[in-house]
Amino acid sequence: DTGVSQDPRHKITKRGQNVTFRCDPISEHNRLYWYRQTLGQGPEFLTYFQNEAQLEKSRLLSDRFSAERPKGSFSTLEIQRTEQGDSAMYLCASTNFGHEQFFGPGTRLTVL
Amino acid sequence: AQRVTQPEKLLSVFKGAPVELKCNYSYSGSPELFWYVQYSRQRLQLLLRHISRESIKGFTADLNKGETSFHLKKPFAQEEDSAMYYCALKGQNFVFGPGTRLSVLP
Repeated sequence: DTGVSQDPRHKITKRGQNVTFRCDPISEHNRLYWYRQTLGQGPEFLTYFQNEAQLEKSRLLSDRFSAERPKGSFSTLEIQRTEQGDSAMYLCASTNFGHEQFFGPGTRLTVL
Repeated sequence: AQRVTQPEKLLSVFKGAPVELKCNYSYSGSPELFWYVQYSRQRLQLLLRHISRESIKGFTADLNKGETSFHLKKPFAQEEDSAMYYCALKGQNFVFGPGTRLSVLP
């Protein structure tokens, strides 16, 4: 399968714990995006990378969230000290120069 | 600021009827507009983009800069069109609307 993959698909954690999600983009894609989606809403932009450089972060992204793409290939999104409000679907998408985005299946986070 | 609105959360039509999903946007620059679709238990995927001016699965969308709209239309809806539809704007970043659930009834 050469599409975008995300791991894990589901994560249940207790409030205050740290979680990390991984995204593997389509191999030749240079841009990688992270989104958060809550029930009844469209995907909300969090951050994006061009190769290994993080070029933009949403103003809504608290300092508990950090993302990396160390070698310009896969990316990780870490949430520290999770809160119940962090419960959402976290989506990753990749693209070449910002045209059609190819989305992964998402990681569903539940914070108890 | 970039913003996308989709006024209908749910749209139900009968098979064979015309369908129009509304999308309005606000952006001070020159936007790129997209429609993404999510079928049940599948990932989000691109349906069409205004630059290509294509018809995909019978759907078309025209960018109207005067009305800042990018409505999605299909003359004869099919049951397999039932899905969530998201309008998206690429300005500085990608901004998605809240989505419209289309339900095509037999």
